[in-house]
Amino acid sequence: GNSVTQMEGPVTLSEEAFLTINCTYTATGYPSLFWYVQYPGEGLQLLLKATKADDKGSNKGFEATYRKETTSFHLEKGSVQVSDSAVYFCALSPWGNDMRFGAGTRLTVKP
Amino acid sequence: DAGVIQSPRHEVTEMGQEVTLRCKPISGHDYLFWYRQTMMRGLELLIYFNNNVPIDDSGMPEDRFSAKMPNASFSTLKIQPSEPRDSAVYFCASSWGDEQYFGPGTRLTVT
Repeated sequence: GNSVTQMEGPVTLSEEAFLTINCTYTATGYPSLFWYVQYPGEGLQLLLKATKADDKGSNKGFEATYRKETTSFHLEKGSVQVSDSAVYFCALSPWGNDMRFGAGTRLTVKP
Repeated sequence: DAGVIQSPRHEVTEMGQEVTLRCKPISGHDYLFWYRQTMMRGLELLIYFNNNVPIDDSGMPEDRFSAKMPNASFSTLKIQPSEPRDSAVYFCASSWGDEQYFGPGTRLTVT
């Protein structure tokens, strides 16, 4: 079936540290891949996406590359800020609106 | 655009009472989704609509849950009778294409 597995949290980093949150997927066909972010007390917001192999999605300093050979879509940021503290969800969509979310990874950034 | 609007933002009710959650999707979006989020189970898709028609309700926990979408700008999720295990944050999301836009959620507490 279609699913994503992301690294368990919580993740705690100091400000300006490098961030990686791992995400791997299982899918038939060629799904689109997404990262969503959820700030405290809010709904999920789309952070970035990639629609085909080797595409790189980027937004607000975050990046993720669609790797078909390793079935991965790891989220990275070179220098995190306290304001990046949130829960991050990896997701895939095998077709238009069938979205499968991972369990979420909580990130806390300390000053 | 105001984004996806949900009401109420918080609901506290007693076991056995009927609860109605409301959602106004983004204008022009043709898909609407209802999700439930808990610490134990994460984010679960309950039901989704396309052009006001329910497409997949396999995530609805049991007959106590029902959802309607009488027109393109309004949907309800009803729980009758409510139970303490229904306590969760309920999100509505809408989409046109493969990006879903989430509302701020309704935090439901059943005592």
